[in-house]
Amino acid sequence: QSVLTQPPSVSGAPGQRVTISCTGSSSNIGSGYDVHWYQQLPGTAPKVLIYGNSNRPSGVPDRFSGSKSGTSASLAITGLQAEDEADYYCHSYDNSLSGVVFGGGTRLTVL
Amino acid sequence: QIALKESGPTLVKPTQTLTLTCTFSGFSLSTSGVGVAWIRQPPGKALEWLAYIYWDDDKTYSPSLKSRLTITKDTSKNQVVLTMTNMDPVDTATYYCAHRNSGWGYMDVWGKGTTVTVSS
Repeated sequence: QSVLTQPPSVSGAPGQRVTISCTGSSSNIGSGYDVHWYQQLPGTAPKVLIYGNSNRPSGVPDRFSGSKSGTSASLAITGLQAEDEADYYCHSYDNSLSGVVFGGGTRLTVL
Repeated sequence: QIALKESGPTLVKPTQTLTLTCTFSGFSLSTSGVGVAWIRQPPGKALEWLAYIYWDDDKTYSPSLKSRLTITKDTSKNQVVLTMTNMDPVDTATYYCAHRNSGWGYMDVWGKGTTVTVSS
């Protein structure tokens, strides 16, 4: 049971927009801690997609965007492409656990 | 350019101690603000943070595994070592080390990971 809750799976057709939610609590996202998002392609290490809630590292397409409100955060992917098929994880800090917490991961399927 | 590489045994027996080494380049663990994390991922499951070590030798551990983990650094060798005692089959996973971005606290560069199987 992950501290940050993500939907196990989402799907969308090429070109569509999908969102992945990351729901936390008052001891993590709700306390103002930043949320970061990672993409993990099959058989590879995670790669950062979004940091600090809504910032994209250089090289990440602007089809990926992040937002945060209250005790939740969201990752949006527009113009879905087959290469976006991967697992996505959110990451934050929890002050009651005094450590890093990850979401349970969301598998994106491009139909 | 930052790079990290994990190394260690691929197979350990139950109750044994696992020792993993993260060898890195492109940064120094003696530079203020720098940190290295260990994260693991059991097959088909989610990422789980294990531990951090920082430039000032401060260390933080996952509360659920704290009693079994030790993280150390050798600045001269550009290495971080993680030991985990009393290994169990549920500890079978891919273990990653990652560079912690000092400004925002996210893992900005990851190693490729090393797979550890716990079996008798």
